[in-house]
Amino acid sequence: GEDVEQSLFLSVREGDSSVINCTYTDSSSTYLYWYKQEPGAGLQLLTYIFSNMDMKQDQRLTVLLNKKDKHLSLRIADTQTGDSAIYFCAEIDTGRRALTFGSGTRLQVQP
Amino acid sequence: KAGVTQTPRYLIKTRGQQVTLSCSPISGHRSVSWYQQTPGQGLQFLFEYFSETQRNKGNFPGRFSGRQFSNSRSEMNVSTLELGDSALYLCASSLETSSPSYEQYFGPGTRLTVT
Repeated sequence: GEDVEQSLFLSVREGDSSVINCTYTDSSSTYLYWYKQEPGAGLQLLTYIFSNMDMKQDQRLTVLLNKKDKHLSLRIADTQTGDSAIYFCAEIDTGRRALTFGSGTRLQVQP
Repeated sequence: KAGVTQTPRYLIKTRGQQVTLSCSPISGHRSVSWYQQTPGQGLQFLFEYFSETQRNKGNFPGRFSGRQFSNSRSEMNVSTLELGDSALYLCASSLETSSPSYEQYFGPGTRLTVT
């Protein structure tokens, strides 16, 4: 079955880079996503990557995909206090159109 | 373009009651999915609607149901509420295209508290 795992917590200093890691088990996953959730809010889609890509860059965000190891990472450059939130990685079951989410990584940015 | 909207934002209900939550998708989006978020179980898929039909369903009891209207708006209903149904219920909409990337855009959620 599908399973997505993430570390629970990451603390960085403002201006540093943050790297949030995720592993997934479904080798047939076609798309993988990163979402951000701030307190009391819904999920904001940050970026996604197609499984035939190794890397995708979008402004301060860089997604790396190692399909062999089923490892996904999100790098946030020049991390700001406004980046403090919970970050979820997710894979899609295209047959059911259902996202399977990791447990989320809480990013704390110290000023 | 307006995002996904959900009403109400907060609800308090008593065990045994039923509740209806509403979701309006992004204009032009015809697929609507529902997810439950709890501290213990995380984010779990409830069901997905497209063209007024439930197309996919997660592993939830029959007390959880939904429907979609011709304007793509969707409602979900939970009957005979239990304490464990307390959660944030998130609605997401998706644009169906011939080359989909299956992106789902979420609303702010409805926080349901069952007492």
